[in-house]
Amino acid sequence: KNQVEQSPQSLIILEGKNCTLQCNYTVSPFSNLRWYKQDTGRGPVSLTIMTFSENTKSNGRYTATLDADTKQSSLHITASQLSDSASYICVVSPESNYQLIWGAGTKLIIKP
Amino acid sequence: DVKVTQSSRYLVKRTGEKVFLECVQDMDHENMFWYRQDPGLGLRLIYFSYDVKMKEKGDIPEGYSVSREKKERFSLILESASTNQTSMYLCASSRTGPRYPLHFGNGTRLTVT
Repeated sequence: KNQVEQSPQSLIILEGKNCTLQCNYTVSPFSNLRWYKQDTGRGPVSLTIMTFSENTKSNGRYTATLDADTKQSSLHITASQLSDSASYICVVSPESNYQLIWGAGTKLIIKP
Repeated sequence: DVKVTQSSRYLVKRTGEKVFLECVQDMDHENMFWYRQDPGLGLRLIYFSYDVKMKEKGDIPEGYSVSREKKERFSLILESASTNQTSMYLCASSRTGPRYPLHFGNGTRLTVT
């Protein structure tokens, strides 16, 4: 069964600290993996996309990694800011947009 | 910038009422989607549309229908609202192809009493 599992469910860190969010998937065949950020009361916004051949991709203070062999991805946030408080959702695409498999998300809270 | 607009942020309806949720996108995207989001669960696809007047069932279509008469507009209809349809409803649009992201509206929080 195609599944995406994220950990931890929630995380609280102090402003300025780094953190890493995890995403494990059992989706096959694999097309790509995308991370979305969802601020409270807003819709998700795409942060980055990883394809099979990509190991690491950065978007400012966000760095995503992908290990296609172990079917794991991580999202690392460097020097966290209060505006990073949000839910981060991992989504895997088997073949097309229509078959997206969504994780339940990690709720990140940054404390001053 | 892509804009997806959902007509209502909050709705409160009574059991048995017919409910319309409207969504409009301004980027000429072929594809439009309706999801519901519940705490502790991933987004679940209700219906999607890849062209005008075309629709496909998602994972949880029961109790819902959709309408796409114009490319920019995608409506979700709850024929007879029930309390288990209390949820956050998210509309999204995208271009065709797995590399294109979904662009979401800000959601409609529906409460059915």
